Amino acid sequence: NAGVTQTPKFQVLKTGQSMTLQCAQDMNHNSMYWYRQDPGMGLRLIYYSASEGTTDKGEVPNGYNVSRLNKREFSLRLESAAPSQTSVYFCASSEADTTLAGGQFFGPGTRLTVL
Amino acid sequence: RKEVEQDPGPFNVPEGATVAFNCTYSNSASQSFFWYRQDCRKEPKLLMSVYSSGNEDGRFTAQLNRASQYISLLIRDSKLSDSATYLCVVFNAGNNRKLIWGLGTSLAVNP
Repeated sequence: NAGVTQTPKFQVLKTGQSMTLQCAQDMNHNSMYWYRQDPGMGLRLIYYSASEGTTDKGEVPNGYNVSRLNKREFSLRLESAAPSQTSVYFCASSEADTTLAGGQFFGPGTRLTVL
Repeated sequence: RKEVEQDPGPFNVPEGATVAFNCTYSNSASQSFFWYRQDCRKEPKLLMSVYSSGNEDGRFTAQLNRASQYISLLIRDSKLSDSATYLCVVFNAGNNRKLIWGLGTSLAVNP
């Protein structure tokens, strides 16, 4: 039982390049999330998927797109990376988004640097 | 006023000490509350949900005070391994769904 896995762990991009961050969970959770964490800003929600087949914008969605590929997988895409997207990205999952009962479980994160 | 506020610390305590953190929130309609811990350069991990009646898990006790709009975390008999940043999380469900993370309180337990 691996919980939430993310790939890659580290990535360096040049401005304008694109990339996709992958996330998978094996806990049979319905809801999945993408966050970014920056010094002094705390965790900020980028997008979330309350259930398979749905996605919604979070607090900071601009410059990102997501795909809920199936119940297990939720990917985050940067179409044209900018230095402002340098951050640590966390994927998380939870049983249900309506109450978040049981909390959210996080992957180990991806450290992204955009030059 | 920030939606969720925490004292950033750092709190430096000796092993065996009791330490308490508070977290205040601004939305009186907030419904769910959590404490997470985050080790340096690691992901956040759920420590406890916070229930209206208060709850305890070993050395950790969480309390909710709706009247004053704060939650608290008490750690008894601190261990070196308790050194981490403790994040307060407040959740508002429904049409205006919102999950708000505090910036965290840093705890260092010293030998």
